[in-house]
Amino acid sequence: DAGVIQSPRHEVTEMGQEVTLRCKPISGHDYLFWYRQTMMRGLELLIYFNNNVPIDDSGMPEDRFSAKMPNASFSTLKIQPSEPRDSAVYFCASSRGSGYTFGSGTRLTVV
Amino acid sequence: AQSVTQPDIHITVSEGASLELRCNYSYGATPYLFWYVQSPGQGLQLLLKYFSGDTLVQGIKGFEAEFKRSQSSFNLRKPSVHWSDAAEYFCAVGDMNSGGYQKVTFGIGTKLQVIP
Repeated sequence: DAGVIQSPRHEVTEMGQEVTLRCKPISGHDYLFWYRQTMMRGLELLIYFNNNVPIDDSGMPEDRFSAKMPNASFSTLKIQPSEPRDSAVYFCASSRGSGYTFGSGTRLTVV
Repeated sequence: AQSVTQPDIHITVSEGASLELRCNYSYGATPYLFWYVQSPGQGLQLLLKYFSGDTLVQGIKGFEAEFKRSQSSFNLRKPSVHWSDAAEYFCAVGDMNSGGYQKVTFGIGTKLQVIP
């Protein structure tokens, strides 16, 4: 298995632009998680899905953030409009119930 | 609410020396506990996990951790550190109340530096 695949690896965008981060979980995993990692706040859970259904989005910072999982093999995290304080590394992880497998992350820089 | 404390932000050890990374958790019931490692520019990799049973858990790369309920601790150990162990280590606790152990809270991380 190729593991959890995230794209792009790096994204630099201007303030106000829309940003879409993508994630392909491991086949057969029924949980998918989006995390954000910053020096100041560490790893924060943004949202997670079970069987493609959002279960808990209480970590989504504000309405500018949205996440979808249209099928078992794909999820997106969208930020619109983006702001400099959104700069962070965003991780996707998937699980079948025994620990998480993380992707390599997307490093987002908003200038 | 569950929480994890990693009291050491940064630790430096000599190659070949033993290692212990501290982790304390706060949780109302029997927790699911994890240790992850993150190398620069990479995602987190699961080292080991504790759900129940034997309180001494063996993981990958020669790591082990011991669950001590009385101390609310889950410290990570390795008898002899290699230069390739330099990375950041995260302790995490799983929330069973949300229908399983799927909602995991991570500690702030401990950055390990290994010197020759």
